[in-house]
Amino acid sequence: QKEVEQDPGPLSVPEGAIVSLNCTYSNSAFQYFMWYRQYSRKGPELLMYTYSSGNKEDGRFTAQVDKSSKYISLFIRDSQPSDSATYLCAMSAGATNKLIFGTGTLLAVQP
Amino acid sequence: NAGVMQNPRHLVRRRGQEARLRCSPMKGHSHVYWYRQLPEEGLKFMVYLQKENIIDESGMPKERFSAEFPKEGPSILRIQQVVRGDSAAYFCASSPDIRTGELFFGEGSRLTVL
Repeated sequence: QKEVEQDPGPLSVPEGAIVSLNCTYSNSAFQYFMWYRQYSRKGPELLMYTYSSGNKEDGRFTAQVDKSSKYISLFIRDSQPSDSATYLCAMSAGATNKLIFGTGTLLAVQP
Repeated sequence: NAGVMQNPRHLVRRRGQEARLRCSPMKGHSHVYWYRQLPEEGLKFMVYLQKENIIDESGMPKERFSAEFPKEGPSILRIQQVVRGDSAAYFCASSPDIRTGELFFGEGSRLTVL
């Protein structure tokens, strides 16, 4: 069993839709949770960062962490074609910032 | 403030040759991480370094791979006697503080082994 599980997709939605992306994990020591966006042939870009459980909102993006269920989510409101990318969840126990990544979900927002 | 700089962006090597990948972290960042991304796979941790020290190399293959982060100059990931299975994108990331959990990635170096 992988430490972090993420549905690879692809996920195709129409412009303006609400997108829900999810990851599950098995290591209860994880306490830092991140979402990265990666465009094709580019480096990952940090989108959202959350410490421990709870919600965090930044513009059209909302990150949720449920440590009791070992489940994290990223919601994108009013999705745009420019949101089309691979979204990677990542997490760490915090001792050295060693991040464990999901395999990524490929999102396509259709105009 | 310049981001994490990696070079070369693309590197082609024949089997048995050596590959050297360089990474300059963001200004003020003293923690450097190397990750490898294979096609259809997520990013896999390789090594974590601070200036002149290897802190965690648990993701590095035992042979042919080495990394350094000297007092002066960029961090270098070195792959000796490359094989076709080494073809991948290698990403460097830096962090200002290991307590924050935030890593900032470069654009990657794409290695192709013929």
